[in-house]
Amino acid sequence: NAGVTQTPKFQVLKTGQSMTLQCAQDMNHEYMSWYRQDPGMGLRLIHYSVGAGITDQGEVPNGYNVSRSTTEDFPLRLLSAAPSQTSVYFCASSRDGTGFTEQYFGPGTRLTVT
Amino acid sequence: AQSVSQHNHHVILSEAASLELGCNYSYGGTVNLFWYVQYPGQHLQLLLKYFSGDPLVKGIKGFEAEFIKSKFSFNLRKPSVQWSDTAEYFCAVKDSSYKLIFGSGTRLLVRP
Repeated sequence: NAGVTQTPKFQVLKTGQSMTLQCAQDMNHEYMSWYRQDPGMGLRLIHYSVGAGITDQGEVPNGYNVSRSTTEDFPLRLLSAAPSQTSVYFCASSRDGTGFTEQYFGPGTRLTVT
Repeated sequence: AQSVSQHNHHVILSEAASLELGCNYSYGGTVNLFWYVQYPGQHLQLLLKYFSGDPLVKGIKGFEAEFIKSKFSFNLRKPSVQWSDTAEYFCAVKDSSYKLIFGSGTRLLVRP
């Protein structure tokens, strides 16, 4: 199993550009989520999904969109990038969202918005 | 909304010293509690978790944590740290929702 994979690893955007961060898992996990990690603020939940076709907002959803058309993939879209979105983004998955199963994290995408 | 506090942002210890990292959460109901570790340049890994039962849980690499419900705390401990424990440690809490909420993290530096 590859586990949770994320692409790209690094990305530089100009303010106003759009892009999609890709996340995929091959463990047949129902629950997937996106976090951003900023110095001194830990990880903050952006969006999550409890299964294909179902998504919901986390702590900091503004400026981000998600969709979950398949169990495997959970892309994160930035419609109009802003410097405040400079961060490291982590995707995670778990068998379900009950909290009784471990979350597995991807390697992260380091995004810089200039 | 659920919140998690980690009061120690940076901790510096010498090898063989004992470690205790504090974690407090705000939700008063049933919670699941986790400690994750992020080694330099790596992604997050689960150290240990508490769901129910014995409030003293043991994890990997000699780490343990104690759940004290009356204090809303889940502190991480290790009797004797090693240089290889240098990392950032995150406490996380999940309540009855589907959201796993993280604390701000504690950076641990262990000097040889």
